[in-house]
Amino acid sequence: SAVISQKPSRDICQRGTSLTIQCQVDSQVTMMFWYRQQPGQSLTLIATANQGSEATYESGFVIDKFPISRPNLTFSTLTVSNMSPEDSSIYLCSVAPPRAETEAFFGQGTRLTVV
Amino acid sequence: RKEVEQDPGPFNVPEGATVAFNCTYSNSASQSFFWYRQDCRKEPKLLMSVYSSGNEDGRFTAQLNRASQYISLLIRDSKLSDSATYLCVVKRSGYALNFGKGTSLLVTP
Repeated sequence: SAVISQKPSRDICQRGTSLTIQCQVDSQVTMMFWYRQQPGQSLTLIATANQGSEATYESGFVIDKFPISRPNLTFSTLTVSNMSPEDSSIYLCSVAPPRAETEAFFGQGTRLTVV
Repeated sequence: RKEVEQDPGPFNVPEGATVAFNCTYSNSASQSFFWYRQDCRKEPKLLMSVYSSGNEDGRFTAQLNRASQYISLLIRDSKLSDSATYLCVVKRSGYALNFGKGTSLLVTP
């Protein structure tokens, strides 16, 4: 198993500002993922955070809006840039071993409200 | 078409009832299948993996039909504490999890 510490747990931010969310894992993991969960919706993958290279973004998400860092195998950050109220959501980091049959683990989530 | 589809519910059932959730997936390359549970304002947590032979964990039974690309979850003798959102999840090796929208369950006294 993996223990993930994600912070901040919540924040209220002014539109136009940026927020950086941190995710720390208690063991080295190859793959880390960032998800967004909008109110009443399921989790949508934003990007895969790759160690030593640029993140891989899903359709509808771009690096300028959601820059990601992955400096080592235990840590990643997601920045939500130039925020608008539409960015109000829960953001979750996740780790999963590459083997398909193994479960994924999640951070506690960051509840973001943009006003 | 979304890769994982679920009936969003909500399902309102009395305590002690049996309730079944269904899920279909579109990518035949999917290799692993899970049911996650998400409580309000919490992160998702694994409820159980789903195997082709079907598997049971206490009151919970999961089934997988690869030919029909269909997954199910059966909850027997529902408890109040079963109230949550149940997420159908599929995965390919080397890829992130792919989530359904979730099915909301409310068990009432």
